[in-house]
Amino acid sequence: NAGVMQNPRHLVRRRGQEARLRCSPMKGHSHVYWYRQLPEEGLKFMVYLQKENIIDESGMPKERFSAEFPKEGPSILRIQQVVRGDSAAYFCASSRREFSYEQYFGPGTRLTVT
Amino acid sequence: DAKTTQPPSMDCAEGRAANLPCNHSTISGNEYVYWYRQIHSQGPQYIIHGLKNNETNEMASLIITEDRKSSTLILPHATLRDTAVYYCIVRGQAAQKLVFGQGTRLTINP
Repeated sequence: NAGVMQNPRHLVRRRGQEARLRCSPMKGHSHVYWYRQLPEEGLKFMVYLQKENIIDESGMPKERFSAEFPKEGPSILRIQQVVRGDSAAYFCASSRREFSYEQYFGPGTRLTVT
Repeated sequence: DAKTTQPPSMDCAEGRAANLPCNHSTISGNEYVYWYRQIHSQGPQYIIHGLKNNETNEMASLIITEDRKSSTLILPHATLRDTAVYYCIVRGQAAQKLVFGQGTRLTINP
């Protein structure tokens, strides 16, 4: 049973470009969470999605960031016009149910903005 | 969700039990205690959770005090691969997101 998959694992973007991070949840999981870990800092919740719905985006920056989880395909975290401060590790987690005890994390995407 | 307090770092000898404390004095009745760990930049890994009874699984044991204001994660026979940052998280039953603090950086020494 494959775990949560994220790609790419490493992404380098120049300032002003767009970054697209993908997350495929575990089989049978329909709930996806995105977290960000800035260098030398803890993990911060960004957004929680179910299929085709954003449930909680309280941790998302107000501008340039968006997320989706379409009916088919992976969840996408999109960052427009990246800046150096967006450099971080972005982790996706999934769970089977809405109030699941466990969240299963992927290996993360390390975004570097040059 | 209630706030947790953990020591920033701990050391433990390989093969010994590692006991990681966590204070959560403002925990409310329907909030669970969760432990996750993050091994060197990997994605966090779920370890265990509990409400008020002690819990044990193949990875660890969780001891929660009777007043539920603190808990201890026990790794019974620590190995070098247990070196990681360990996060104690208090989360309500109806909450979806995890709120991570700074955690405890546990170093297992040979």
